[in-house]
Order: sequence, then structure tokens, then C-alpha cells
Amino acid sequence: QKEVEQNSGPLSVPEGAIASLNCTYSDRGSQSFFWYRQYSGKSPELIMFIYSNGDKEDGRFTAQLNKASQYVSLLIRDSQPSDSATYLCAVKGTGNQFYFGTGTSLTVIP
Amino acid sequence: GAGVSQSPRYKVAKRGQDVALRCDPISGHVSLFWYQQALGQGPEFLTYFQNEAQLDKSGLPSDRFFAERPEGSVSTLKIQRTQQEDSAVYLCASSPSLGSEQFFGPGTRLTVL
Repeated sequence: QKEVEQNSGPLSVPEGAIASLNCTYSDRGSQSFFWYRQYSGKSPELIMFIYSNGDKEDGRFTAQLNKASQYVSLLIRDSQPSDSATYLCAVKGTGNQFYFGTGTSLTVIP
Repeated sequence: GAGVSQSPRYKVAKRGQDVALRCDPISGHVSLFWYQQALGQGPEFLTYFQNEAQLDKSGLPSDRFFAERPEGSVSTLKIQRTQQEDSAVYLCASSPSLGSEQFFGPGTRLTVL
């Protein structure tokens, strides 16, 4: 079992809709959770991080964390074509390593 | 301010050659991580440093891989006797403190022929 699991997609949403990206992790002791965006041929870019259970909002992005269910999600409101990218979930385990999922490919259709 | 930089951006090596990949982290960032990313996959951890100390190298795939950060700033990932399976993008990331968010450089795309 991989440390971090993501649905690889592709996920397609129309422009203006809400995109929902999900991630589960196996290390129950994990404390820190990160979402990165990666455009094709580019390196990962940090979108946001969350440490506590509940929701954290930053502009059009909302991260949700449920440690009991070992589940992290990212919601993108008012999706734009420029949001089309691969979204990587990263989890810091009980050590200092970051474990990345394989990413979910998102396409926003104009 | 300047982000993480990596050089070269692209490297083509013949099988058996040695290569050296350089990472220049964000100024003041004490932690530095190296990752390997294959096409269609997420970054896979290789090794990390806290200042000049290499605290974990458990992700290095073989003893042909070696990393150093002698002065706690610039880091070099060296791959000896490259093999075709070493072809990947090598990403460097730095963070202001251990466990905090990581910021990635543009990566080095290594192709071994």
C-alpha cells in the first residue's frame, strides 16, 4: 500500500464549477498536509498546507482535513482554465520525509 | 526574491558516465530535499539535509547515488556510472525549517542514453 493515494483522474469540470480533489494517507501519525500544483513540464508549486482538522480557505482554494478518516481534500471554487494541471497531495509522516501521491490531472473546460 | 535554482536544466549522459546536479536553495532555508520524479508519477524522496548534515538518505536507489551539502547551502547530487533507469527529473526543494512547506526548484531532466 502506498503512503499517499490519489485518484489519478483525469477529472474534467466546466469553467466556473467546483473541482474536488481527494487524497488518503496511511500513516496515522502524519501531522502536516500539503497541496501542490504541477503544470506539464514544470516543477510543483505550493498551493496551501493544513495542519489541523477542519477547513482552511485561501482565495478560491479550500483544504479540508479529517485525521480520523485519514483524508485530505482540496476544493477549487470558480474553476478557471488556468487551473488545469496535475494536483499533488503531500503528507509529512512521523519522520521528516514528505510522501507524495501520484497526482490528479484536472482539466477545466471553457 | 530568488527561488530555488537548479543546474543544469537538462543533461544527456551516455550510460556509464558520472553526472553532478546542483541545487541552490532559497537563502536562509536550512532544510534541503532531493526528489526523483518519473513521468506520470509524484516526486519520490531521495535524501534530505538539515544545514550541512545529511539526516536521511534512505531513498537513494543505490550506492551510485551520493549527495552532499558541505557548507549548508548549495547541494550537489552525484550519480556515478549512470544507467538508463536513472532517466528522470531530479527535483530539489528547500524549506525554512524541517517539516514546514517545501519550495521546489525547476528540476534537472536527466536522460541516459
